[in-house]
Amino acid sequence: SAVISQKPSRDICQRGTSLTIQCQVDSQVTMMFWYRQQPGQSLTLIATANQGSEATYESGFVIDKFPISRPNLTFSTLTVSNMSPEDSSIYLCSVGAARNQPQHFGDGTRLSIL
Amino acid sequence: SQKIEQNSEALNIQEGKTATLTCNYTNYSPAYLQWYRQDPGRGPVFLLLIRENEKEKRKERLKVTFDTTLKQSLFHITASQPADSATYLCALGGGGATNKLIFGTGTLLAVQP
Repeated sequence: SAVISQKPSRDICQRGTSLTIQCQVDSQVTMMFWYRQQPGQSLTLIATANQGSEATYESGFVIDKFPISRPNLTFSTLTVSNMSPEDSSIYLCSVGAARNQPQHFGDGTRLSIL
Repeated sequence: SQKIEQNSEALNIQEGKTATLTCNYTNYSPAYLQWYRQDPGRGPVFLLLIRENEKEKRKERLKVTFDTTLKQSLFHITASQPADSATYLCALGGGGATNKLIFGTGTLLAVQP
């Protein structure tokens, strides 16, 4: 299965700033996804990162807050913009054949906003 | 709205016993159900997928059942080991218009030596 690397693994940020999370896969993959896992909550899909076009966002998530890039089939970034304490969470990148198929996850980025 | 329920309380069992975790769902008709394992500080790892027309699926010491009438899946680990201690997540997929995985909050399993 694909090996997924996320950077940074954790960060502490000031409110109002932005952080870009990188996701690198060791092979070309069709679908890349970004999830959020808040403390005590289930994983929630933020968006599907589309290669060469705009990401597809789930209800409740918008491009202005979570801009996503996917310049090729092995790399994607998620930016968390204008952060507030409510954005404190784990952000996970995953890959899979489709949105509802088994997925392989990176180890996540643990983000705390002060 | 769609809802998935997993035991929020940790499950503590003795090494060698069978661990049984429950996943119940409402307002959803998934085409299949998946189970993942998540260790602290790590991303979820896919374990098993069972389709709606399958009653049971096995993989080594793991067994999953899927009852679409009860809207329930049971996840069994036989001959449990301390290394099986982790959080186990169920995820539903393939049903409805959303066409995405919907995850439960997970159950923490602790296997005591």
